[in-house]
Amino acid sequence: AQSVSQHNHHVILSEAASLELGCNYSYGGTVNLFWYVQYPGQHLQLLLKYFSGDPLVKGIKGFEAEFIKSKFSFNLRKPSVQWSDTAEYFCAVNKHNAGNMLTFGGGTRLMVKP
Amino acid sequence: ETGVTQSPTHLIKTRGQQVTLRCSSQSGHNTVSWYQQALGQGPQFIFQYYREEENGRGNFPPRFSGLQFPNYSSELNVNALELDDSALYLCASSKEPGGNQPQHFGDGTRLSIL
Repeated sequence: AQSVSQHNHHVILSEAASLELGCNYSYGGTVNLFWYVQYPGQHLQLLLKYFSGDPLVKGIKGFEAEFIKSKFSFNLRKPSVQWSDTAEYFCAVNKHNAGNMLTFGGGTRLMVKP
Repeated sequence: ETGVTQSPTHLIKTRGQQVTLRCSSQSGHNTVSWYQQALGQGPQFIFQYYREEENGRGNFPPRFSGLQFPNYSSELNVNALELDDSALYLCASSKEPGGNQPQHFGDGTRLSIL
């Protein structure tokens, strides 16, 4: 079975700092990759997704992620964070051509100080 | 466009009891998935329903069961509740069950077992 690891459980940044959240998955086959965000008091929302093609994908609110197949990684980045980016971020994966059931990582709680 | 709605928002039960959680899928979506999110962890896939049939199941015991109705709404039933069942239960819907179909999440039902 596949698994997803997010090594940073808590991250604290000041506004305008750059962000990189790590995500690694274990699965030998082809996967679809996702980042979801949960703002305080809100439901999970899709930030971005990768299915195939250009390994650098851009999502909403200035976020991007890079798929590095050789490293089984899909790290999330943002050049300059804002206080409103304070949220919990989840990396998720599903097996290509095997349904859209998601395996999630444990999440990274990001706090941005104003 | 109405999003995914779940009821109730909160629920308190005691060990051994049974509970039913409900989910209305987003308009135009025929696939519903259920996830359990324990405190401090990422969501874990319970099962998925597509066209009123179970379309995949995670590593949960048979006392977790579900239904999907002709209008694509869904129920999650849990029998013989245990303390470890305390969690946030998330419902997600998608247009189809294909791997490239993003899932849209509801706000969840927080279940507490005393």
